[in-house]
Amino acid sequence: DAKTTQPTSMDCAEGRAANLPCNHSTISGNEYVYWYRQIHSQGPQYIIHGLKNNETNEMASLIITEDRKSSTLILPHATLRDTAVYYCIVRFGSYNTDKLIFGTGTRLQVFP
Amino acid sequence: DTGVSQNPRHKITKRGQNVTFRCDPISEHNRLYWYRQTLGQGPEFLTYFQNEAQLEKSRLLSDRFSAERPKGSFSTLEIQRTEQGDSAMYLCASSSGERGTYEQYFGPGTRLTVT
Repeated sequence: DAKTTQPTSMDCAEGRAANLPCNHSTISGNEYVYWYRQIHSQGPQYIIHGLKNNETNEMASLIITEDRKSSTLILPHATLRDTAVYYCIVRFGSYNTDKLIFGTGTRLQVFP
Repeated sequence: DTGVSQNPRHKITKRGQNVTFRCDPISEHNRLYWYRQTLGQGPEFLTYFQNEAQLEKSRLLSDRFSAERPKGSFSTLEIQRTEQGDSAMYLCASSSGERGTYEQYFGPGTRLTVT
């Protein structure tokens, strides 16, 4: 699985959009970008995933660049409950037959 | 659907003792994963079951670690002769394994402290 690079930490004001970047320059053609988050003292939670098209669900939007070497997770209206560590993961397949390989993620702090 | 449950939530043990953790996956999920997470790090994969078969083990899983899923439902992770370096959060996850699904659902974890 390709390696990802994320900023260690970010801040965001409540109600504003949180844009979390991820670099995955060695991604291969059949690897997907997944995002999970981990709120303090809880297990990780799936957010969204995509291959090359932008994706949106009730939690977030995922923007993948045309060359697929980077992506951005967007939380459109961040709330205090979005304070968490966000993990960008690249892996084969659109269904989860395999383990997740986590990096150290981005610690997002949403402030009032 | 009550989610993935893990017991106990916290365990404090003395070095050299054996400990066992239990994971109950979401009903009818045939895949079950164990991860370990130390402070400030992301979770690290330990092992994975499909039904009762243990299909993959990480190099992190030393001989002191053993995991079972005897009837393809709940799973146990045992650590023998615990060491201080075993102190961590042990996370369990499950997934349905069906094509078109993509989520692993995680439990709240068991925090182990070895004194």
